[in-house]
Amino acid sequence: DVKVTQSSRYLVKRTGEKVFLECVQDMDHENMFWYRQDPGLGLRLIYFSYDVKMKEKGDIPEGYSVSREKKERFSLILESASTNQTSMYLCAGGRAGETQYFGPGTRLLVL
Amino acid sequence: GENVEQHPSTLSVQEGDSAVIKCTYSDSASNYFPWYKQELGKRPQLIIDIRSNVGEKKDQRIAVTLNKTAKHFSLHITETQPEDSAVYFCAARLGYSTLTFGKGTMLLVSP
Repeated sequence: DVKVTQSSRYLVKRTGEKVFLECVQDMDHENMFWYRQDPGLGLRLIYFSYDVKMKEKGDIPEGYSVSREKKERFSLILESASTNQTSMYLCAGGRAGETQYFGPGTRLLVL
Repeated sequence: GENVEQHPSTLSVQEGDSAVIKCTYSDSASNYFPWYKQELGKRPQLIIDIRSNVGEKKDQRIAVTLNKTAKHFSLHITETQPEDSAVYFCAARLGYSTLTFGKGTMLLVSP
């Protein structure tokens, strides 16, 4: 069965902190994605990656960066967390041309 | 880029009734349309998908229809049950690009 895991379910950080959100997939899928989910706004794509060391900006990349050093791991980085980055963050993985499978999500609160 | 609109944003039905959620997309070349269900506090999970070479697909009580001419697709749930209560997201994809999601529909099924 497909499995995508995220390092934390809940995180509380201070404004200005550097935050790392980790995602791991065991499906050997090429594609990995980071979304944020906010009430009334649906799922918005932050960054995605089609291969190791490759990254592409999504719809809302400002304030975020990513890293993909290994095929199974895709990290989202908030260089200097701000309160407007309080959100649910969802990672997903999938093969090219096929559906995406989501991780359980990380609920981040920035104080 | 692709734009997906989803209606209604909330839907309340009585147990046993049918529920229909509609989505429209903007790019006529989009060729893949998945539907995800997200229960409270859980990850979005794929429940059904359809490709552009098919007009309808069924899986037990759920079905998806696609009208390429009108550029819309719909999720149909028959004989609704309380456990169908969740947020449902539609999405569309052009070729091998990323998924574009609708903003979601909160379905509430009352016993």
